[in-house]
Amino acid sequence: GNSVTQMEGPVTLSEEAFLTINCTYTATGYPSLFWYVQYPGEGLQLLLKATKADDKGSNKGFEATYRKETTSFHLEKGSVQVSDSAVYFCAPGAGSQGNLIFGKGTKLSVKP
Amino acid sequence: DSGVTQTPKHLITATGQRVTLRCSPRSGDLSVYWYQQSLDQGLQFLIQYYNGEERAKGNILERFSAQQFPDLHSELNLSSLELGDSALYFCASSVFDRAGGYGYTFGSGTRLTVV
Repeated sequence: GNSVTQMEGPVTLSEEAFLTINCTYTATGYPSLFWYVQYPGEGLQLLLKATKADDKGSNKGFEATYRKETTSFHLEKGSVQVSDSAVYFCAPGAGSQGNLIFGKGTKLSVKP
Repeated sequence: DSGVTQTPKHLITATGQRVTLRCSPRSGDLSVYWYQQSLDQGLQFLIQYYNGEERAKGNILERFSAQQFPDLHSELNLSSLELGDSALYFCASSVFDRAGGYGYTFGSGTRLTVV
């Protein structure tokens, strides 16, 4: 069935370091792709999205590009901040009913 | 404030009991989704309702049930509670019956502790 594989954490970085969190998925067709972020003690918030191949989603310095050939949607940020410490979830809209499928989440800790 | 309201925020109850979690979707959204988040299982999809009708079912136990009312709010009922049911329960909503290009809007969750 459809699935998503996300880089396992936790990931610990120093402030201003470069971040990549890998995400690959299996799906029928070309679903929309999403990254959600969960800050400590809060619910999930939509971080960015891409709805078709080669689209780049971006928000708050984070970027991810819809790669149809490799069925990937890797999250990147050039310079992380302490405030980026959170759990990040990759979520293709690839469920049998068009539902979001969530990866297990990647916990990011950024140290000053 | 995401516009999705979940109550209560915290719930502590004993094994064998029954609880009801409530969710009000964002204004205009017709779909409600329920998720369970635990440390070892990640975010597990439980069930989806669209405009009052059950639309999709995930890993929902038989002890759990849900419904969506005419005003579109939804309730998740958990019965014969076990220690392993302790988790964060999230509700999300969307305009359509699928994620489409918009995704979901999540509430802040209900933390259930079974003792």
